[in-house]
Amino acid sequence: QVQLDQSGTEVKKAGASVKVSCKTSGYTFKIYTISWVRQAPGQGLEWMGWINPYDGNTNYAQKFQGRVTMTTDTSTTTAYMELKSLKFGDTAVYYCARGPVLPAGPFDFWGQGTLITVSS
Amino acid sequence: QSALTQPASVSGSPGQSITISCTGTSSDVGGYKYVSWYQQHPGKAPKLIIFDVSNRPSGVSDRFSGSKSGHTASLTISGLQAEDEADYYCTSYTSSTTLEVFGGGTRLTVL
Repeated sequence: QVQLDQSGTEVKKAGASVKVSCKTSGYTFKIYTISWVRQAPGQGLEWMGWINPYDGNTNYAQKFQGRVTMTTDTSTTTAYMELKSLKFGDTAVYYCARGPVLPAGPFDFWGQGTLITVSS
Repeated sequence: QSALTQPASVSGSPGQSITISCTGTSSDVGGYKYVSWYQQHPGKAPKLIIFDVSNRPSGVSDRFSGSKSGHTASLTISGLQAEDEADYYCTSYTSSTTLEVFGGGTRLTVL
């Protein structure tokens, strides 16, 4: 069965960086992109971008360009999302999700989420 | 402000049907078939319930259906059950530089 298992809760200082991992299993890793979606406390979902494990190509939402880096390790079928220069407004649950199959489509399986808290 | 507009809340009684709208523009909902709907219970990850406007993933109840007319997509839940109480989000591919946009979410209350 398809599974995406994310790393645990982190507390970071403003200005620091955080790297979240997403270990996948149960499917052929290179066929699907991996997207990252975040959800601030009590707020809605926000798409951050995707990475294509097949060739490493990325597409980031304009809001995060310059601060986010998405990578994959095909040997361990793991995706990573690093967010730099953290701000208080970055406090959120960060989800990895499988998809889309390019050019577009649904996010059909999701990780359990990783809470990132940015403090002073 | 979200790119796609959803009502903040809807409610219905068990057994009734409700519809949640998701309004965009010709650059997103109106221009592409890539509209999806997600159900999210408190403290849980979102779950895909409709993709490509009207398709249901395997295992999703046929009480959930999707449609689109012009720039507005709709999710209909028939035969409401207590377990349907959750937040619902639409999303669409968009031709803007941000490729995917979400609606602000709709809180469904089963009375």
